[in-house]
Amino acid sequence: ETGVTQTPRHLVMGMTNKKSLKCEQHLGHNAMYWYKQSAKKPLELMFVYSLEERVENNSVPSRFSPECPNSSHLFLHLHTLQPEDSALYLCASSQEPGHGNQPQHFGDGTRLSIL
Amino acid sequence: GQQVMQIPQYQHVQEGEDFTTYCNSSTTLSNIQWYKQRPGGHPVFLIQLVKSGEVKKQKRLTFQFGEAKKNSSLHITATQTTDVGTYFCAGYSGGGADGLTFGKGTHLIIQP
Repeated sequence: ETGVTQTPRHLVMGMTNKKSLKCEQHLGHNAMYWYKQSAKKPLELMFVYSLEERVENNSVPSRFSPECPNSSHLFLHLHTLQPEDSALYLCASSQEPGHGNQPQHFGDGTRLSIL
Repeated sequence: GQQVMQIPQYQHVQEGEDFTTYCNSSTTLSNIQWYKQRPGGHPVFLIQLVKSGEVKKQKRLTFQFGEAKKNSSLHITATQTTDVGTYFCAGYSGGGADGLTFGKGTHLIIQP
């Protein structure tokens, strides 16, 4: 049990579909993150939310749209994705908004495949 | 931007042998973290190093932070099959909204 739950675990979608990834953390943390993990690449930080405000957007294409309605929930809305977007999408949370010096707790990820 | 290089990318060892992975940053770090990801799993936080020259131990795992705070290493003594996985370092330069920069990871494969 990680304390960070992601759904769905697996998602297959066409390039014209719209879907959303969901993340929920039960740890009382204030910061939440989306990462992309592709084969043979480092973990790529996509978005950071601190106290429900987006504090970082690492040049992510607009076809990825995050939403953080409260400090426990984080969504990643997907539309018009490309085959190169197929990857494992990991959600993480940490206790303090100073997220670089706090341990991050990861969910199990959503394995996304774009047809 | 900040880069974190990690070597080797893959390491095959016989069970019982030692293992070391090295991490180098292009910039001076405020701190460095280490994570382990089992096959099919998610990264799990192992430890954070903050002080120059710091050495920390967790059972068979020894973590070091370089004097210049630009490099780090993880050493595992007498590997076991449970050590299989990918070990990532992640550096933080401090200040602003910059998050962790992860290395590509070292995949540890253990042959019984």
